[in-house]
Amino acid sequence: AQSVTQPDIHITVSEGASLELRCNYSYGATPYLFWYVQSPGQGLQLLLKYFSGDTLVQGIKGFEAEFKRSQSSFNLRKPSVHWSDAAEYFCAVGAGNYGQNFVFGPGTRLSVLP
Amino acid sequence: EAGVAQSPRYKIIEKRQSVAFWCNPISGHATLYWYQQILGQGPKLLIQFQNNGVVDDSQLPKDRFSAERLKGVDSTLKIQPAKLEDSAVYLCASSPDRAGELFFGEGSRLTVL
Repeated sequence: AQSVTQPDIHITVSEGASLELRCNYSYGATPYLFWYVQSPGQGLQLLLKYFSGDTLVQGIKGFEAEFKRSQSSFNLRKPSVHWSDAAEYFCAVGAGNYGQNFVFGPGTRLSVLP
Repeated sequence: EAGVAQSPRYKIIEKRQSVAFWCNPISGHATLYWYQQILGQGPKLLIQFQNNGVVDDSQLPKDRFSAERLKGVDSTLKIQPAKLEDSAVYLCASSPDRAGELFFGEGSRLTVL
């Protein structure tokens, strides 16, 4: 079974600073990889996804992520953080022929200082 | 396009009572998921339906939780009897294909006293 770790429970950055959220996964084959964002009291919204092909994927709201097979990582980045980016970020792995093993990481809470 | 609809948004019950949550997925989405999200944790899969059949319910506490998806459209998740540790947000998600993107509803927050 696959698993996901997000080493950082909470990150604080200043508005305008760059951001990198870490995600490591464990899975025996090429996984489907996702980043979701959850604002307080809201459901999860997809930021970006990787299925195959170019290992650098672009998402919404200026986010990007890079798949590194050798490091089993799928880190999320943004060059300049906005106050509205403050939220909980979840990395997820989908696997299996039927996508039945869709596992989320524990999440990283992002705080943004003005 | 309408999103995933869930109700109720909030529910407070006492332990040993029962509760039911309803989900209406995006039209045409064959796959439906119920997740449990305890405060401070990532969502945990409870059950996955493909049309009206169960694909995975290995993490569903079947002694107290049940779910159905009649006619392969909307779904109901029931808890009976509820325990204190069931306090969580119950998220419904749907997907147009088996291993693709999940679209989430806003969730149903359950508080068990």
